[in-house]
Amino acid sequence: DVKVTQSSRYLVKRTGEKVFLECVQDMDHENMFWYRQDPGLGLRLIYFSYDVKMKEKGDIPEGYSVSREKKERFSLILESASTNQTSMYLCASSTGTAAFFGQGTRLTVV
Amino acid sequence: QKEVEQNSGPLSVPEGAIASLNCTYSDRGSQSFFWYRQYSGKSPELIMFIYSNGDKEDGRFTAQLNKASQYVSLLIRDSQPSDSATYLCAVKDYGQNFVFGPGTRLSVLP
Repeated sequence: DVKVTQSSRYLVKRTGEKVFLECVQDMDHENMFWYRQDPGLGLRLIYFSYDVKMKEKGDIPEGYSVSREKKERFSLILESASTNQTSMYLCASSTGTAAFFGQGTRLTVV
Repeated sequence: QKEVEQNSGPLSVPEGAIASLNCTYSDRGSQSFFWYRQYSGKSPELIMFIYSNGDKEDGRFTAQLNKASQYVSLLIRDSQPSDSATYLCAVKDYGQNFVFGPGTRLSVLP
């Protein structure tokens, strides 16, 4: 079974903090993705990566950056957290067929 | 802008009935089509995928694809209360990115 693990299930951070969300997959997948999911807005792509050290902006990259130093790990960074970044964050990995999701991180910025 | 559309629901069906979930997509270059189930507060999990026109069956689930009409559907036979969830349709072209629909909320009434 594909396993995608996100470092935290719930996270509460203060406005202005730098926030790191970690994602690890164990299936040697080339492609990894970060989405956020908000009620009424569906899944929106923040960033994706096709390979180590490669990254591409998705639909809503503003206020975020990513890092992929190893194939199995894809990190999402909120440079200076703001309340409008309160959301469910979902990491996914894919080898070119289906995408498999981690359990999600519900981030609250206060 | 590639779009995937679904009725938001809620779609209510009685236990034991057939639930029919529909999805249309805008990009004629779409090659792969996926259905995910998402329980409240959880991450999406893959139910099935389809690449070719026609039907694909997996247990109580049947995916139907009509590329000419840019339409994909999911039928759930013998619906159970445990099938109550939001169902996400996703499409992929020759690239690596997925485009997700907003989801249809299904409620199976005992």
